[in-house]
Amino acid sequence: QVQLQQSGPGLLKPSQTLSLTCAISGDSVSNNSTTWNWIRQSPSRGLEWLGRTYYRSKWYNDYAVSVKSRITINPDTSKNQFSLHLNSVTPEDTAVYYCGRGHWPLGFDPWGQGTLVTVSS
Amino acid sequence: DIQMTQSPSSLSASVGDRVTITCRASQGISNYLVWYQQKPGRVPKLLIYSASTLQSGVPSRFSGSGSGTYFTLTISSLQPEDVATYYCQKYNSAPFTFGPGTKVDIK
Repeated sequence: QVQLQQSGPGLLKPSQTLSLTCAISGDSVSNNSTTWNWIRQSPSRGLEWLGRTYYRSKWYNDYAVSVKSRITINPDTSKNQFSLHLNSVTPEDTAVYYCGRGHWPLGFDPWGQGTLVTVSS
Repeated sequence: DIQMTQSPSSLSASVGDRVTITCRASQGISNYLVWYQQKPGRVPKLLIYSASTLQSGVPSRFSGSGSGTYFTLTISSLQPEDVATYYCQKYNSAPFTFGPGTKVDIK
């Protein structure tokens, strides 16, 4: 059974960098048939896919246009996890952040437990 | 980018009622459509993929249909445990846009 466990701080000040980690059990971040995604949810923006990393003989990333200039998603094969870094945060980045495994054509399953990130001065 | 819309935004129905939620894509996405259920305070749960394939363990009262730009999620007999918000998502290619959600509760 695949499980995803998120970790990272929940309170940031404007202009800081949001950093979250998603630890994988029951699968490998290097699995060449899955993708590893970050999604966020807020009342104003609903569910918003942020980006993904995946391995297909080499590492690839895709990012949402809305955050493309500020986001990095990195795999860590030594720890079997992946991370989200979102820099220059503003209060508009306040949301619950989820990691999720993508497995064609199923969509995202499972999801991490979610991390509420609040950006406030 | 392809936009996803859902209707209605909320509905209230009685236990045992048949409930249908509609999802539309601004461009054709074949059958690459996923439905999620999110109960209050919980993580989204995969219900249906490829527009009509039930995820393992999902009750058979849930069904999905559609292709191209028009999709539906139907609950054949609404149960109290189905109170949730339901989201569709395009899954043909990135970006994997979600619909705005349909909130279902019991009358």
